[in-house]
Amino acid sequence: AQSVTQLDSQVPVFEEAPVELRCNYSSSVSVYLFWYVQYPNQGLQLLLKYLSGSTLVKGINGFEAEFNKSQTSFHLRKPSVHISDTAEYFCAVSDTGGFKTIFGAGTRLFVKA
Amino acid sequence: GAGVSQSPSNKVTEKGKDVELRCDPISGHTALYWYRQSLGQGLEFLIYFQGNSAPDKSGLPSDRFSAERTGGSVSTLTIQRTQQEDSAVYLCASSINTGGTGELFFGEGSRLTVL
Repeated sequence: AQSVTQLDSQVPVFEEAPVELRCNYSSSVSVYLFWYVQYPNQGLQLLLKYLSGSTLVKGINGFEAEFNKSQTSFHLRKPSVHISDTAEYFCAVSDTGGFKTIFGAGTRLFVKA
Repeated sequence: GAGVSQSPSNKVTEKGKDVELRCDPISGHTALYWYRQSLGQGLEFLIYFQGNSAPDKSGLPSDRFSAERTGGSVSTLTIQRTQQEDSAVYLCASSINTGGTGELFFGEGSRLTVL
C-alpha cells in the first residue's frame, strides 16, 4: 500500500519570496503523483500531476514540481509567491496497481505582505 | 450536473443518531471516492468505487460506516450510531479515468457536527 508524508504542516513566507513544499511517498509499485490546492472556503482543485516522462512538471499559477524516484519525493516549488497563494496544499499518490488516490496531511502556506 | 454535488452541506446531529450523506458525481465518471477531512488530519481515504467492481472499503474506520453506489452513479455514505469523533467534513470526488491517472473532481463537502 502507498502512503504520503508532507513534512511541513505550516509554511509562512513573505510575498515574492520562493517557496518549497515537501512531499515524500512510499509505494512498492510505480506511482502517479499529484498536488491539489484548497483555497480558503473552497473545494480542492488539481494544481499539477506527474504520470510519466519529464520529471519536472509545470502546473497552474506558476507552480512546478519535480519527481525524484531515488528519493521518492515530489516537492512543489514556486519562485515568487503572491498573497493569493495562501491556501492548503495536498500531495497525493495513486499506484499503478490499486488505482486509489491517497492524500497527505496537507501543508498550510501563509503568504505575508 | 456541471460538478460533483453533495448534500447536505451541513448536518448537525446528536450522538447515537444515524446520518446519510449523498454524492452525485459528474455524469460519465466511473470512479467515485469518499474522503474525510478533519483539522490537522488531511484527507483520510474512506472508500473507492470503480465501475462495477467491488468497492475498496479499506479506509472505513469502523463497521458503523458504510457506503453504496447505485446504478454506477449516486453514492450514499451512511454513519450509524454517530460519535463525536465522527465530526468532520466528508468529501466526495469523482474521476473519469481508470488506472489512477485521472484528475479527481471534488464536491464542496458535507460538514457533519455530532453533539
